[in-house]
Amino acid sequence: GQSLEQPSEVTAVEGAIVQINCTYQTSGFYGLSWYQQHDGGAPTFLSYNALDGLEETGRFSSFLSRSDSYGYLLLQELQMKDSASYFCAVRDRSSNFGNEKLTFGTGTRLTIIP
Amino acid sequence: DVKVTQSSRYLVKRTGEKVFLECVQDMDHENMFWYRQDPGLGLRLIYFSYDVKMKEKGDIPEGYSVSREKKERFSLILESASTNQTSMYLCASSLPQNTEAFFGQGTRLTVV
Repeated sequence: GQSLEQPSEVTAVEGAIVQINCTYQTSGFYGLSWYQQHDGGAPTFLSYNALDGLEETGRFSSFLSRSDSYGYLLLQELQMKDSASYFCAVRDRSSNFGNEKLTFGTGTRLTIIP
Repeated sequence: DVKVTQSSRYLVKRTGEKVFLECVQDMDHENMFWYRQDPGLGLRLIYFSYDVKMKEKGDIPEGYSVSREKKERFSLILESASTNQTSMYLCASSLPQNTEAFFGQGTRLTVV
């Protein structure tokens, strides 16, 4: 089967750095994505890693280790507006007919405190 | 900007009713997805479609069906709504490489 595990809740201080981990188990893995969702809003794309290593986009970075089936999202210089839920998602292959799909984790609720 | 539009933000239906949730995207994306989102369970894939008239079951397809007659439109159908289908339903679309999915604002469905 497939599964993605991430912490359910993380609290961090404004201005600090926080890391949200994701471990996955799936077949036909192509890459790992991260999405942000504010309360009442739609998920929005943050980053995608297909290869091992670190991808940086402004204050956000994402890391992937394919051999460890592990990735993380790193948020720097935290701001109050970063309080949201963060989801990792794998681009993988369906077990039925082998078509590509997107499977999401259960999400991490990040709370930023002053 | 890519736009994914879901027909309703809020919907209240009675048990046993047939319910249609509509989703339209304007970016000519081949792939479209339906998820339901429940607290603590994340986004769970119900069905997805990779081309017109092509569909595949996701992780929780029971009680649902879909229709994709045109590329831009992907409909989720609850054949006979039940209270355990009360949830937030999210539609998304993407290019075949699936590196970035674009989501609609969601439909909060309540079945009473």
